[in-house]
Amino acid sequence: DIQMTQSPSTLSASVGDRVTITCRASQSISSWLAWYQQKPGKAPKLLIYKASTLESGVPSRFSGSGFGTEFTLTISSLQPDDFATYYCQQYHTYCTFGQGTKVEIK
Amino acid sequence: EVQLVESGGDLVQPGGSLRLSCAGSGFTFSSHPMNWVRQAPGKGLEWVSYISSSSTTIYYADSVRGRFTISRDNAKNSLYLQMNSLRAEDTAVYYCARDGLPRGSPVYHWGHGTLVTVSS
Repeated sequence: DIQMTQSPSTLSASVGDRVTITCRASQSISSWLAWYQQKPGKAPKLLIYKASTLESGVPSRFSGSGFGTEFTLTISSLQPDDFATYYCQQYHTYCTFGQGTKVEIK
Repeated sequence: EVQLVESGGDLVQPGGSLRLSCAGSGFTFSSHPMNWVRQAPGKGLEWVSYISSSSTTIYYADSVRGRFTISRDNAKNSLYLQMNSLRAEDTAVYYCARDGLPRGSPVYHWGHGTLVTVSS
């Protein structure tokens, strides 16, 4: 099975900060990686797929990069609506999620 | 507008059974693969099962294989999850998720979830 490891688990940041979350796969997944945002009590929301393609309607301050086993999600200027938990997901072989990164207000 | 509405969640005793349903609308249900994804209280997301658009390909997570059965009825625009031999660790919100094809597409749409609690 492919394991996904996210870091950090928790991130404290302020509005306007540049934020980067890392996701590592236990084996190569090419570009078959997605990022989701989840707020408490809500379903996840797709942000990025194919490692770097922004889903329609998602603000351009979100970006993704990486290939193979190392991937990053970057928020260029953190906004109040962005405080949430973020998950990476590989969909190369079945499906596996990372353990999540909670972005908190500093 | 794409809508996925789960139902069937309940409190059930260990060893019991439950059947979850998901009604899809606002899209051509028969054209899309579907998944079940769960989230234990305060925990992360865990993929449970996948079914292709025509039911010809089915996958399960190791944690549920042999106990859970995924199925769909395209005529009724519905997805199902039959859960048997339930354990405390199956307690979670279960999400119905559209798409999520391995080496194809991520999950584009999620339902609101239905809560399954396994406890005596």
